[in-house]
Amino acid sequence: EVHLVESGGGLVQPGRSLKLSCVASRFTFSNYGMNWIRQAPGKGLEWVAYISNGSSYIYYAETLKGRFTISRDNAKNTLYLQMTSLRSEDTALYYCARHFPYYFDYWGQGVMVTVSS
Amino acid sequence: DIQMTQSPASLSASLGETISIECRASEDIYSNVAWYQQKSGKSPQVLIYAAKRLQDGVPSRISGSGSGTQYSLKISGMQPEDEGDYFCLQGFKFPLTFGSGTKLEIK
Repeated sequence: EVHLVESGGGLVQPGRSLKLSCVASRFTFSNYGMNWIRQAPGKGLEWVAYISNGSSYIYYAETLKGRFTISRDNAKNTLYLQMTSLRSEDTALYYCARHFPYYFDYWGQGVMVTVSS
Repeated sequence: DIQMTQSPASLSASLGETISIECRASEDIYSNVAWYQQKSGKSPQVLIYAAKRLQDGVPSRISGSGSGTQYSLKISGMQPEDEGDYFCLQGFKFPLTFGSGTKLEIK
């Protein structure tokens, strides 16, 4: 079955940067678009960003545009999320999810990012 | 952006009861809606996609319906494993947006 494993989270001070990774396995990574989705503690789901299989199309949540950058390395089966100028409101569990036309069919287990001084 | 208004925010149901959760989109999303269940401490799992298509492995007592701007998820005969949070997702247009969620508990 499809396997997605996020890493790179942790405690970071406000204003600092962090880069998340999501390693994919058990499917042909280069054939699928991918997403990042986050969930603040006790809250609902918020879509963060999408990248197409060949990186030609990239979309962001408007409120995050300019601070977050999604990218991928198909040779390494890895999805990334570079987060800069982090704020307390970015504290959340970050999931990567595979994009199937018009929905997410598989999700990782999530990685926690805590922004606090 | 397309807003997804989900209701109710919480629901308590007896075992065997039939329940429904609704999502209303702020514009026509042409059946591009999916429904997810999230159990405590776990990742969301897709139940329904394309408004009414059942994801492999999901029991047939779960169903989806709707079109245009109005969509619903129905559970026919509440089971203990149905407890959790439920979210709708519109996949029609970026930015993709979720409903605010429904917490389903056993009465």
